[in-house]
Amino acid sequence: GESVGLHLPTLSVQEGDNSIINCAYSNSASDYFIWYKQESGKGPQFIIDIRSNMDKRQGQRVTVLLNKTVKHLSLQIAATQPGDSAVYFCAERNTGGFKTIFGAGTRLFVKA
Amino acid sequence: GAVVSQHPSRVICKSGTSVKIECRSLDFQATTMFWYRQFPKKSLMLMATSNEGSKATYEQGVEKDKFLINHASLTLSTLTVTSAHPEDSSFYICSAPLRTGEYNEQFFGPGTRLTVL
Repeated sequence: GESVGLHLPTLSVQEGDNSIINCAYSNSASDYFIWYKQESGKGPQFIIDIRSNMDKRQGQRVTVLLNKTVKHLSLQIAATQPGDSAVYFCAERNTGGFKTIFGAGTRLFVKA
Repeated sequence: GAVVSQHPSRVICKSGTSVKIECRSLDFQATTMFWYRQFPKKSLMLMATSNEGSKATYEQGVEKDKFLINHASLTLSTLTVTSAHPEDSSFYICSAPLRTGEYNEQFFGPGTRLTVL
């Protein structure tokens, strides 16, 4: 079936360092990808998105890279802060639709 | 921005009872809403698509009779876990889409923690 993401890994970084979180997707029909942040006991929070006709998109301190050849997404967080500690999920869907499929997620720990 | 609420935020019930969870879009209308469940340290798994005025669409492996969905209005969808058992204990999250610019953005509720004793 459709699947996005890997088994839940953990990434530990030092405050101020850059973080890179990776995700693989398998549904080549998906043309819209989103990164979400989820803090403990809360719902997912939108971070940044990218369409399949782009390979890079930048936001405030975050950058998403899309490599359609190998079906790979990454989220880069610059100057990581303690408040960035959370679980990050990549997700996919078709731009014309609403159905969002989530990947396995990565837990980010930021050490002060 | 658009806000989605859920009620209750936390519920504890005895095995065999039914529990209703509400999902509301507070400042926009949603003809479609989505229900997810999330086990500890796991990802969100889509359970079903709630459609206003018609039957919900369930994902493969999700029991329709176990998880009853009603989308009674353009701002409210309810998920009822019938005859709940301990294995139904989970974090249930709803979302509602809203077209913002050229995209259909999903807005998520804060989740409902269900514990079945």
